[in-house]
Amino acid sequence: SQQGEEDPQALSIQEGENATMNCSYKTSINNLQWYRQNSGRGLVHLILIRSNEREKHSGRLRVTLDTSKKSSSLLITASRAADTASYFCATPGNQAGTALIFGKGTTLSVSS
Amino acid sequence: NAGVTQTPKFRVLKTGQSMTLLCAQDMNHEYMYWYRQDPGMGLRLIHYSVGEGTTAKGEVPDGYNVSRLKKQNFLLGLESAAPSQTSVYFCASSYLGSTNYGYTFGSGTRLTVV
Repeated sequence: SQQGEEDPQALSIQEGENATMNCSYKTSINNLQWYRQNSGRGLVHLILIRSNEREKHSGRLRVTLDTSKKSSSLLITASRAADTASYFCATPGNQAGTALIFGKGTTLSVSS
Repeated sequence: NAGVTQTPKFRVLKTGQSMTLLCAQDMNHEYMYWYRQDPGMGLRLIHYSVGEGTTAKGEVPDGYNVSRLKKQNFLLGLESAAPSQTSVYFCASSYLGSTNYGYTFGSGTRLTVV
């Protein structure tokens, strides 16, 4: 039962450019989380935004949440080659102890 | 501070064999989870635990069993491996549920069933 869906599936940019990824979800949530996964590695938690927050920043990351549109965006400013990874949004499910349900991810490639 | 440690990192099984994947966390987290990741499918929840001695089914539990005898360990068992269980398995933990806390993931176990 997929909750979040990222868009685009893949994104290629040059170093220094900004990267924007979007996530849409289906049911009401109390928070939305973003994770990064480098090739062959586990997921790393980036940021959690609560339903009563509209925007949150962490370093070069900016996350927005629009609960009326059931969507979120992750902006990475001044991208670096090291930002090359897959990015996933995740939301608490309605079942399974509210365990996170992950989208299929956006694969970001940053070339130098 | 190791975080979440998964063993083994790689394994090849023959169809019908059994094995146990071990997940250990040293952060005193209450909740632990097992996910599998397949190409184009994202992460899917297999089983989870909300505390020592408790386990519950996730989205794709068939063919797997779990145990949480100690708070820091969460074991995932494959009773009779099938090629469809070829996947990368991730364990994760969180302080409490996902309402307010992010997950800490292990580095994964890549399992191939031939």
